[in-house]
Formats: sequence, C-alpha cells, structure tokens
Amino acid sequence: SQQGEEDPQALSIQEGENATMNCSYKTSINNLQWYRQNSGRGLVHLILIRSNEREKHSGRLRVTLDTSKKSSSLLITASRAADTASYFCATSTDSWGKLQFGAGTQVVVTP
Amino acid sequence: EPEVTQTPSHQVTQMGQEVILRCVPISNHLYFYWYRQILGQKVEFLVSFYNNEISEKSEIFDDQFSVERPDGSNFTLKIRSTKLEDSAMYFCASSEAIQGMKAFFGQGTRLTVV
Repeated sequence: SQQGEEDPQALSIQEGENATMNCSYKTSINNLQWYRQNSGRGLVHLILIRSNEREKHSGRLRVTLDTSKKSSSLLITASRAADTASYFCATSTDSWGKLQFGAGTQVVVTP
Repeated sequence: EPEVTQTPSHQVTQMGQEVILRCVPISNHLYFYWYRQILGQKVEFLVSFYNNEISEKSEIFDDQFSVERPDGSNFTLKIRSTKLEDSAMYFCASSEAIQGMKAFFGQGTRLTVV
C-alpha cells in the first residue's frame, strides 16, 4: 500500500513567497519526516515530527501533523532560489525504522 | 555534522555482473538501511540491518541481494547478477536509534546496468 503521498506534485513560486506542500498517509505512524533532494543528489533530513506532536518549527520550516486526518504539511516561508529541490515526506510505522516515502513535490523558486 | 559516505558515486556494470556498493555509516549509529530510487520514481526501502543481521526486508530484496557489515565500519550491498531494471540510485542510511531519531542518508551510488 502506498504510504505518504505529496500534494502538489509540482510547485513554482517566486523568491520571497511561501511554499506549502501536503502529505497524506494511510496507516498509524510513529513519526513523519521531511527530506529535501536536490537534483540527482542525496536526501537531506529537514525535520521530524512525532505522532504525539502537532507542530514543529525549524528556521524557515514549519511542519504540522494531523493524525486524525492522517496528513502533514510542510511550509517554507520566505523562499529562496536555493530552496529549489524535491521535497519528500516519509513515514515510520514499524519497529525497525523503515521509512516509506511519498512521490515528492518538486519545488522551483525563481529569483 | 557527521555524514554517511557512499562509494562509488557512480558505477556502470554489464548485465549479469556482480556489484558491491559500499557505505560507511555514522560511527555511533546502530541501525542501517539501504534504499533505492529508480529515476523519476519514489525512494523505496530495500532492507534494514541491526545487530549484524537483517531486521526487515522488502519484496524487492530478493535472493540476488545481500548485505554485510564486514568490519564494524563498512556496510555493503551486493547485487549478485545485475539486471537492467536494477539501474537506480542506491542510498545507504543510518540512525542512532529507531524511535524518534532521524535517518541520515548518504549521497547515493548511481548504478547503471548496461
């Protein structure tokens, strides 16, 4: 089953604007993590939110989690050209830390 | 910040050949993972490894795949007889613990099977 689907698939914004992307999942989770991937490169961890948390902040990032709706959102405020990347949510559901990734949101920030 | 390192960054191999992808996890981490990402697709879990044994594996991780931690620092993924469809980016990851701990990913090895 697919766990972690991002919406939208692609997002194009201008520098200074906010970018919001959403992630939905199907089963109960231990935590949900957001990652960034620049084209052809590795996955960079952005933020982790536990199932008993509702909101977390890290710099210009704000993540919310609604376990009743099985959804999460990632907000990037005051975006910069360097934020251009694909963003993935990944859920952890089992006892071994396996992550299930969504298909990602491709964000393009134009100067 | 400590990082997971993977070598090589890019490997080209002929179909049917064996390949070994290498990873050096972060030194105090206990849990190790391999994931793959076929071009344009989502990242898929392959296998998790703890206490010198496989803890969980996906359907993708069939008999042609194996993992090993030969010397306490390296963590390898071996593909015995590569197929064209094994072409992908392979990511190694490690974490200090499971619950509530983030996984650190390496930069990946791009495997091209020709």
